[in-house]
Amino acid sequence: QKEVEQDPGPLSVPEGAIVSLNCTYSNSAFQYFMWYRQYSRKGPELLMYTYSSGNKEDGRFTAQVDKSSKYISLFIRDSQPSDSATYLCATTWDKLIFGTGTRLQVFP
Amino acid sequence: EAGVTQSPTHLIKTRGQQATLRCSPISGHTSVYWYQQALGLGLQFLLWYDEGEERNRGNFPPRFSGRQFPNYSSELNVNALELEDSALYLCASSFDRGGNTGELFFGEGSRLTVL
Repeated sequence: QKEVEQDPGPLSVPEGAIVSLNCTYSNSAFQYFMWYRQYSRKGPELLMYTYSSGNKEDGRFTAQVDKSSKYISLFIRDSQPSDSATYLCATTWDKLIFGTGTRLQVFP
Repeated sequence: EAGVTQSPTHLIKTRGQQATLRCSPISGHTSVYWYQQALGLGLQFLLWYDEGEERNRGNFPPRFSGRQFPNYSSELNVNALELEDSALYLCASSFDRGGNTGELFFGEGSRLTVL
């Protein structure tokens, strides 16, 4: 079983839609969870960071962690074409462990 | 302030050859990480260097090696190249030892193609 699993997509939505991106993880000891965004031909950049369970909001982005079900979510409200990228969930243990990434395409 | 820089941007090699990739971290960052991003496999952890020492290693064969220099820059060497080594190699740095907060700053990567 992979430590972090993520649906690779692609996910295609119209501009203005609410996007839900999800990951599951295997180790209940994981505490820190991150979402990275990677534009085409660029390196990943940290988008959001959460610790343990709960929600964290930053503008149009909300990160949610449900430790009881080992589920991580990222919600994007009012999605824009500029949000088109690959979104990678990650957690940290003795190293940063990434999901495979979900490719998101927001069309005008 | 300059971000993480990697060179070369692209590299084409043939099977059996050696490849050397280079990385300069953000000024003040002492930890450098190497990741392989192959199509459909996501980012796979390769190596972590801190203060000149190898601190952790991913599940890769010994022909993947590297080092960190006194100025904290790093190089990744891949010997006896195989076709499946074709990937984007990403370097990242962090200011906290081990990236425990999860905030890594990535370069734009070196694209290695093995023919």
